[in-house]
Amino acid sequence: DQQVKQNSPSLSVQEGRISILNCDYTNSMFDYFLWYKKYPAEGPTFLISISSIKDKNEDGRFTVFLNKSAKHLSLHIVPSQPGDSAVYFCAALERSLGSSNTGKLIFGQGTTLQVKP
Amino acid sequence: DTGVSQDPRHKITKRGQNVTFRCDPISEHNRLYWYRQTLGQGPEFLTYFQNEAQLEKSRLLSDRFSAERPKGSFSTLEIQRTEQGDSAMYLCASSLDGLGRSYGYTFGSGTRLTVV
Repeated sequence: DQQVKQNSPSLSVQEGRISILNCDYTNSMFDYFLWYKKYPAEGPTFLISISSIKDKNEDGRFTVFLNKSAKHLSLHIVPSQPGDSAVYFCAALERSLGSSNTGKLIFGQGTTLQVKP
Repeated sequence: DTGVSQDPRHKITKRGQNVTFRCDPISEHNRLYWYRQTLGQGPEFLTYFQNEAQLEKSRLLSDRFSAERPKGSFSTLEIQRTEQGDSAMYLCASSLDGLGRSYGYTFGSGTRLTVV
């Protein structure tokens, strides 16, 4: 049962344009959502996160939007650059029952972004 | 500190052999995680440690898999009697307590296992 889904395996955009990567989830107990970027032969690198109590978080060229009613989040990259070409993973953290959480993340399948010069 | 280190980077083994991977986390991080990633999928949680205590194991971690973190520093993941289905990238990550939620953990570059 895939609790976090990235339904687009790939996305191609022109340099300078906006890239929009989408992610859907099914579990309403998710507390935080994170985006990771992965280059070949490297581990995933943390990019940006958003708390479930917010609907937007921005960091430079990267903005994450959360629509809790639709159980949907998206990552916007503006403007896109060729160096952004990578696999992007959406991940979710389940709400903790105690004072701290396990930190266990549930990942989507990833979307490969190609930014063409 | 150079981040999370994993060794080896690549491992090819024959079916039925045992393999062991090592992970050295960021020194001040008390949490260490193991994930497995297969082609076309995102990383899947296997297990995690807080200091030397193994606090949770996924049902993906069959009895052929064992992980240790004996002194709360480096960790090892051993797979006994490897099967072709074990071929995957094994990723280690570390964090300070539950900061994985806001800041994300730091992943290593992974160990790619190929079982032939």
